Amino acid sequence: NAGVTQTPKFRILKIGQSMTLQCTQDMNHNYMYWYRQDPGMGLKLIYYSVGAGITDKGEVPNGYNVSRSTTEDFPLRLELAAPSQTSVYFCASSYTRVGYSNQPQHFGDGTRLSIL
Amino acid sequence: KQEVTQIPAALSVPEGENLVLNCSFTDSAIYNLQWFRQDPGKGLTSLLLIQSSQREQTSGRLNASLDKSSGRSTLYIAASQPGDSATYLCAHGGSQGNLIFGKGTKLSVKP
Repeated sequence: NAGVTQTPKFRILKIGQSMTLQCTQDMNHNYMYWYRQDPGMGLKLIYYSVGAGITDKGEVPNGYNVSRSTTEDFPLRLELAAPSQTSVYFCASSYTRVGYSNQPQHFGDGTRLSIL
Repeated sequence: KQEVTQIPAALSVPEGENLVLNCSFTDSAIYNLQWFRQDPGKGLTSLLLIQSSQREQTSGRLNASLDKSSGRSTLYIAASQPGDSATYLCAHGGSQGNLIFGKGTKLSVKP
């Protein structure tokens, strides 16, 4: 089982460049999430989606955009990269709303992004 | 604001020692609490999920407890091994269907 797959694994961007972080899951999960993890910190929610065509902001959405055209894919877009966006980005998915069920949240291996 | 705190931030122990990692949270109405393991350069692996109706869950050498009234959870690791070296994160559900994470405890088990 592939689970949650993120690409690329590593990327270096210059300030002002744009890129899309890809995330796909093969578990037919409705809920998908993007988190960022800064060094020595816990994960913070950027955006989330409860199904195809539905997205909403999390705790730290500024500088990012998302779309959810299919159940499987949930790409994260950085339009104008800034040094503050240097972080590790994790995509996750779950069948139901985590924290209110006993279904776990599944994580990808992360994308390590540096903005120079 | 929902917050999760983990103490200590880092812990170094000799192999074979039993140890306890602590997690405290401000929201006493949580439905469940999860413990994750994160290896360097890797994603998160779910270790244990404790439902609010339960007091503890066990998996092998790991035992996690939950006390909602005091806002605390502990992860007990018995007979620690060098392979247990990793960062351990606790998390509970947030209002947006996401998980609210602590900053983690970085564990180093020395041979």
